[in-house]
Amino acid sequence: KQEVTQIPAALSVPEGENLVLNCSFTDSAIYNLQWFRQDPGKGLTSLLLIQSSQREQTSGRLNASLDKSSGRSTLYIAASQPGDSATYLCAVRADSNYQLIWGAGTKLIIKP
Amino acid sequence: DTAVSQTPKYLVTQMGNDKSIKCEQNLGHDTMYWYKQDSKKFLKIMFSYNNKELIINETVPNRFSPKSPDKAHLNLHINSLELGDSAVYFCASSQAIGAFAEAFFGQGTRLTVV
Repeated sequence: KQEVTQIPAALSVPEGENLVLNCSFTDSAIYNLQWFRQDPGKGLTSLLLIQSSQREQTSGRLNASLDKSSGRSTLYIAASQPGDSATYLCAVRADSNYQLIWGAGTKLIIKP
Repeated sequence: DTAVSQTPKYLVTQMGNDKSIKCEQNLGHDTMYWYKQDSKKFLKIMFSYNNKELIINETVPNRFSPKSPDKAHLNLHINSLELGDSAVYFCASSQAIGAFAEAFFGQGTRLTVV
């Protein structure tokens, strides 16, 4: 059974710092991995999608890596800004069905 | 234009009532989903559906039923609402089901059962 874990559960850093969020999964048989952000009371915004054959994806200040064999992904945020404050969720799409399996998220606070 | 839209955004209702949440996507996607986010913010799949197959999470009570009048809509019907149904419900869609399947989400419906 696929399980997804995100560490840390919460993170608070000063503005301008680079930071890394971690996501691990127990079953390497995945189609892809997706990173989302969720703002309080809001929906989920897709940040990056990494296909199982890829090792990383970049969008602006965000870089996500995928090491399928070790069951790990990282989301790197460069030069953090207060507007980056949100909960970041990773989800893997299992290749046995259509479903996304979710981590519990990392709540990120960027202090001005 | 909103890619995935849900209505209503907030729903407060009494125990025992029957309610529906509507979801529409204008992305031309083949597959739609319903997820439940509980008070601990954990997201769990409830249903996934395309024009060929409905996959139901076996932990979902049969009081919950998805209804798809067409490919762009997947509504969620809930019968005999219970206090424990209070949560945020998210609709999502994706074009495919494999490696290229990027999921797009609606803004969520916060359901409160009193």
